[in-house]
Amino acid sequence: SQQGEEDPQALSIQEGENATMNCSYKTSINNLQWYRQNSGRGLVHLILIRSNEREKHSGRLRVTLDTSKKSSSLLITASRAADTASYFCATPPPGGTSYGKLTFGQGTILTVHP
Amino acid sequence: SQTIHQWPATLVQPVGSPLSLECTVEGTSNPNLYWYRQAAGRGLQLLFYSVGIGQISSEVPQNLSASRPQDRQFILSSKKLLLSDSGFYLCAWLGQVNTGELFFGEGSRLTVL
Repeated sequence: SQQGEEDPQALSIQEGENATMNCSYKTSINNLQWYRQNSGRGLVHLILIRSNEREKHSGRLRVTLDTSKKSSSLLITASRAADTASYFCATPPPGGTSYGKLTFGQGTILTVHP
Repeated sequence: SQTIHQWPATLVQPVGSPLSLECTVEGTSNPNLYWYRQAAGRGLQLLFYSVGIGQISSEVPQNLSASRPQDRQFILSSKKLLLSDSGFYLCAWLGQVNTGELFFGEGSRLTVL
């Protein structure tokens, strides 16, 4: 089964609103990453949060991590139509090795209406 | 700066035909390289990874194979395609070794008819 499960599967909002996506995982992690994928394109790394961090910001992105609940959330503030994309959480395998072997969640499809 | 190229971008192949998808990386040496498959626009599944020339690890049993004939070249192949091989194939390289941040190519969309 997938390490990461995200919800909602799809989110539709108006420009200017905030978008929140959630990710749950099963095993211990060293870090959790969020990626963005525009339709039909490759994935782009957005932000990484380490297991000893609780919150991290990057521009309009805010990521939180709760290791006790094995969950993370990605908040996009003041959304724009250009934020329309799929968003995935991903985790490397536990143990501190083979970091590139990421396990991805199923993703949240975000649609921002102008 | 580092860049990653994939080709072809789109491919339509009949069942039973061979496949070759190519990935090359520029601006870095001895990268860890990965092939992922994405079905129906959803989550990615790791197929193969390589830590060096000639070194291939397979993550899932399947009809596909991978090769790394050169340091910055990673090839995904099949001798006979199945309908179930259809999908979006993404090549990636490990940009940050100690965290696992991946840099992806633009993908190759394969449709098997």
